Amino acid sequence: EAQVTQNPRYLITVTGKKLTVTCSQNMNHEYMSWYRQDPGLGLRQIYYSMNVEVTDKGDVPEGYKVSRKEKRNFPLILESPSPNQTSLYFCASSSPMSGANVLTFGAGSRLTVL
Amino acid sequence: GQNIDQPTEMTATEGAIVQINCTYQTSGFNGLFWYQQHAGEAPTFLSYNVLDGLEEKGRFSSFLSRSKGYSYLLLKELQMKDSASYLCAADTGAGSYQLTFGKGTKLSVIP
Repeated sequence: EAQVTQNPRYLITVTGKKLTVTCSQNMNHEYMSWYRQDPGLGLRQIYYSMNVEVTDKGDVPEGYKVSRKEKRNFPLILESPSPNQTSLYFCASSSPMSGANVLTFGAGSRLTVL
Repeated sequence: GQNIDQPTEMTATEGAIVQINCTYQTSGFNGLFWYQQHAGEAPTFLSYNVLDGLEEKGRFSSFLSRSKGYSYLLLKELQMKDSASYLCAADTGAGSYQLTFGKGTKLSVIP
């Protein structure tokens, strides 16, 4: 089944404790992206990647890092999480070959930073 | 900058028709997406408009006017399962497949 898999789905952590949210897709998509979704603010892009070793900042990159060493994986790293990073995070992928940039989203990762 | 506006909430009756509007002002524009998101779930693709006009897909239709920076999603024969948030998103292009999302419209379908 074609899908985007995120882990963990739920996480409660404390300020300053480094964490990584993994994202993997099995559709051979070139493009991958991370979004955060907050009440009243909608989906905001954190980082995106056009292909392996190519990443760029989205609208709200502060406090986050990403890497794209393999085509299928695009982990989101919070080096020193803070409470304002408490949010629902979505990873998404798509392929330009399919025409429009139709994103396939993962199920989401709900992160709470205490 | 990028600005996308859509109503925060709407309520409609089962079996009725509802229109969710979206206006956009973006520095670049390739097309307009609509996504559906049920509470606690991931967004799923509904439609994509590149050219002006109406695109129909079953009970759902989407309209785009590029000159007016305006789109709407039309849902017919509403069902309870249509209760969800509907996200308007502009493909702002520039060769980077950038999507800017509106804040979403929460639709409640009542009996």
